[in-house]
Amino acid sequence: GAGVSQTPSNKVTEKGKYVELRCDPISGHTALYWYRQSLGQGPEFLIYFQGTGAADDSGLPNDRFFAVRPEGSVSTLKIQRTERGDSAVYLCASSSLNRGNHEQYFGPGTRLTVT
Amino acid sequence: AQSVTQPDIHITVSEGASLELRCNYSYGATPYLFWYVQSPGQGLQLLLKYFSGDTLVQGIKGFEAEFKRSQSSFNLRKPSVHWSDAAEYFCAVGAENQGGKLIFGQGTELSVKP
Repeated sequence: GAGVSQTPSNKVTEKGKYVELRCDPISGHTALYWYRQSLGQGPEFLIYFQGTGAADDSGLPNDRFFAVRPEGSVSTLKIQRTERGDSAVYLCASSSLNRGNHEQYFGPGTRLTVT
Repeated sequence: AQSVTQPDIHITVSEGASLELRCNYSYGATPYLFWYVQSPGQGLQLLLKYFSGDTLVQGIKGFEAEFKRSQSSFNLRKPSVHWSDAAEYFCAVGAENQGGKLIFGQGTELSVKP
């Protein structure tokens, strides 16, 4: 079946602009996660949704970052007033969390470059 | 604080040689442990996972890992490396009470010599 998809695959924006990154999870997966991966680093947790609600947003670096999942499926990560330090690959993952299964399936990522 | 350490940033092995990638974690709860592989331009692919039970787990592509609670380690092994194994490998830790949120190590880049 279809895996996790993310759009766009690449996004170049100017400093100060607003961007939206989209994630389509695996159908039926109730849990959705956003991570950020900077060059040479492992993914860093940003936010986790269980259904429509953000169950844990402790990883969001500041209030310029916001994410929504209004219908419990597709999620959008929104970044306001982008800064060069926001440049990274943004990864989305989903999980069924059924019967204690915490395996996460990752999308290919969106590479964000802020110039 | 919760953390995952992969002490080796870069490892080079000869094709056909054995491999061991190290992972140490610091986690208050009973951990779930994962190894992921990432090839250039590709997403993260799960190699194997440990939730409970047998501490030696088998994964895809001939990889295995052993959970050693006393050493807080979850090292990844493969008896004979293939050139196609060249990639970045990440160890990750999660827990039941963390909703599945994962903490990743910084990764180990594996190069394979012919």
